[in-house]
Amino acid sequence: DTGVSQDPRHKITKRGQNVTFRCDPISEHNRLYWYRQTLGQGPEFLTYFQNEAQLEKSRLLSDRFSAERPKGSFSTLEIQRTEQGDSAMYLCASSLAGGPYGYTFGSGTRLTVV
Amino acid sequence: AQRVTQPEKLLSVFKGAPVELKCNYSYSGSPELFWYVQYSRQRLQLLLRHISRESIKGFTADLNKGETSFHLKKPFAQEEDSAMYYCAFSNQAGTALIFGKGTTLSVSS
Repeated sequence: DTGVSQDPRHKITKRGQNVTFRCDPISEHNRLYWYRQTLGQGPEFLTYFQNEAQLEKSRLLSDRFSAERPKGSFSTLEIQRTEQGDSAMYLCASSLAGGPYGYTFGSGTRLTVV
Repeated sequence: AQRVTQPEKLLSVFKGAPVELKCNYSYSGSPELFWYVQYSRQRLQLLLRHISRESIKGFTADLNKGETSFHLKKPFAQEEDSAMYYCAFSNQAGTALIFGKGTTLSVSS
């Protein structure tokens, strides 16, 4: 297991286009998290899954954002009708549930909306 | 609202000097607290957890419930400690971590 993988590493898209990011967590981890990070800010929570169930969503997650984890393994985050304000680093992390375990983060996907 | 405050954006010290990165949280219960570190061009990684009471790379952090603080300390800074440090918090229900805005630590010789 090589840790948490995210794809793509970079994405440049035109305003109004849809984009989809993928995250492959550590296989033993049943929790998967999505965060967004902009310049000068810490990671901001978007949503998380336990197995295939989406348990919590942040108010930051507008209706243009949707996340799935269909089989409780990899996850996708889709942004529809992208806006310039969506430009950010999108981070995925995974962990075990049921205790104060730290997260293992991926390298992130940097989105630039032009 | 539950939040984490890291009051310093940048902390510059000389090699060998003591380091203290401040972190305060707002929560009335028993929190779970973490420090994460991001070295240049690397991914965010866990440095230490309060529940472990461990020392990693010479860093320690003590939870002070009275002051709602979890400051990160190291007695003698090294140049390789230069990085961005984030304090993170979760409540007892185990909800997703809330991160502070981070402090950049710069250690120079």
